[in-house]
Amino acid sequence: AQSVAQPEDQVNVAEGNPLTVKCTYSVSGNPYLFWYVQYPNRGLQFLLKYITGDNLVKGSYGFEAEFNKSQTSFHLKKPSALVSDSALYFCAVRESGAGSYQLTFGKGTKLSVIP
Amino acid sequence: KAGVTQTPRYLIKTRGQQVTLSCSPISGHRSVSWYQQTPGQGLQFLFEYFSETQRNKGNFPGRFSGRQFSNSRSEMNVSTLELGDSALYLCASSVLTSETYEQYFGPGTRLTVT
Repeated sequence: AQSVAQPEDQVNVAEGNPLTVKCTYSVSGNPYLFWYVQYPNRGLQFLLKYITGDNLVKGSYGFEAEFNKSQTSFHLKKPSALVSDSALYFCAVRESGAGSYQLTFGKGTKLSVIP
Repeated sequence: KAGVTQTPRYLIKTRGQQVTLSCSPISGHRSVSWYQQTPGQGLQFLFEYFSETQRNKGNFPGRFSGRQFSNSRSEMNVSTLELGDSALYLCASSVLTSETYEQYFGPGTRLTVT
């Protein structure tokens, strides 16, 4: 069975500082990995994904993530945080080759960017 | 290209009633998945439909059901509502090709059961 762990319920960072939101995963085969962001009372907004290829993936709004197969991690990063980045972030995984499109999500990490 | 749409956005029902939620996927996407989001349980997979067939189902009671139409639009139904069914219900639209895999979410339907 596939699983995702986001070890931090909350991350606080000062505006302008770099941010990292951590994610580790477990799948039987090769993973498809995703990051989504959720603002209050809204749905999930796609940020970026790793399917294959370069381990460093660039996404929307200046976010990027690095796929590390040996550490089974897919941490989300941004060089300079904005107050508007404050939201709930979800990491998700799907096993490539699986018959279903079901994603397994982590519990989410609340990011607070302090002015 | 229009995004995933869900209707209604908000619903208030009383215990014992039933409810139907609707989802229209992105044009060209044949797969629709449903998720329930609650503060305690997080995001939980309900079921997935592909070309009108249920392909996968999560660990939810039989009160939760769904279907998909020939135009890929999907509905989910919850019968005999319980207080614990209060949640944000999210629909996702997916496509898988030889080059990519995409899954996009709608804004959700906020269901409150009183």
